[in-house]
Formats: sequence, C-alpha cells, structure tokens
Amino acid sequence: ETGVTQTPRHLVMGMTNKKSLKCEQHLGHNAMYWYKQSAKKPLELMFVYNFKEQTENNSVPSRFSPECPNSSHLFLHLHTLQPEDSALYLCASSQDPLADTQYFGPGTRLTVL
Amino acid sequence: KQEVTQIPAALSVPEGENLVLNCSFTDSAIYNLQWFRQDPGKGLTSLLLIQSSQREQTSGRLNASLDKSSGRSTLYIAASQPGDSATYLCAVQNQAGTALIFGKGTTLSVSS
Repeated sequence: ETGVTQTPRHLVMGMTNKKSLKCEQHLGHNAMYWYKQSAKKPLELMFVYNFKEQTENNSVPSRFSPECPNSSHLFLHLHTLQPEDSALYLCASSQDPLADTQYFGPGTRLTVL
Repeated sequence: KQEVTQIPAALSVPEGENLVLNCSFTDSAIYNLQWFRQDPGKGLTSLLLIQSSQREQTSGRLNASLDKSSGRSTLYIAASQPGDSATYLCAVQNQAGTALIFGKGTTLSVSS
C-alpha cells in the first residue's frame, strides 16, 4: 500500500451529475498532482499544487475543478462531464514540485454515461 | 514538442529470461528520466530515476541506462519472474518544474 490514497476507487456518473474525487497523502509532501490516463493514450498531467497553491493547469476544461485545502488533501470536482472524460484519474505527491520522485495513488476509475 | 516512444508495446517472455525495454525521446535537453511500473487497475510505482548527468541507475534486478545525446533509455530486467508482469512506463522531465512527459508503456508478461 502506498502513502497516497484515493476515493472512490470506481465511479459511474451521468453527464449532468456533480461528483468529487478525493486524494490524501500521508508522506508529508508539499506537492500534489492530478493525472488522467485514458485508454491507448499516454498519462497526462492535469494540475499541480505546491504548498496548496496551484502552479500548473495543463489546459484542462473548466468542467474539472481542483481544490487543495491543505498539503495533504487534494480534490477534483467534476460537473457536466462528457463520455470522453471516462478514464483512470491518478493522484500523486512529491516532496518538491515535479523535480522529485512522485508517489502515486491507486487511481479512481471514472465512467461517464 | 517532446515526445516519448516505448518499444515494444507488449512483450511476452518465459520466466528466467533477461530482457530489455526501450524508451526514446525527441528532445535531448532533459532534466531527468524516470521508469515506473503500473499493475492492472492500480497506480504507478517509481522504479528508477536517472538525472541528466547520470548514465545509469540500478535497483536489485533492474538497471536503467540513459544516453541523452541519442535520446534513448533502456530498462534491463535480469532473471525475469512472473511477478514482474506489469506495464512499464518511461517519463522524461524537460526541465525542473515542468511536467513529466510519459510514453504509452510496454506491457510485460512473464510466464512460469
């Protein structure tokens, strides 16, 4: 078991629903990340937070809204998603932003109907 | 724009074989290169991180090499075991503070 946990592990939602993904790291790290892994595509970085401040938004649509209340918790709020948003959403953390080994959670498998 | 390619996309070997996974990248001006392992339905586990000034890193039966000038890295797995079955991902970081660029991965299957 890694030091990064994600809930829920699986989520099915309709296009009009609003849901949130949660990530928690128990490693004392300062940086947290959201990644998207779609079938047949490379892993893509979505957001980076360093000391609770968003430092990178990789041109992610506004229907994905991140929130980082403290260095240990990261949320991804979802609303009016599209079927093509179905993917594995991975959270990661590291001591320093991006220039350090990242530790990943198990991911949330999201299906948008 | 940096692109990372991993060959082969899939590989099946019998237990005990030594094997090599390949990773190539188009822009040689990288900060570091990392190899990750991903088990089905799970997150990524970092295996090895090679800084741009280094040529290789070793951890147990794993050895990763980096040839920055030619834009290539290899992951060597010695004496493969069924437990090594997973998808192996290569990622490069162009400079400190920028995103990791991932390849699509090589899915390895080791049969007993």
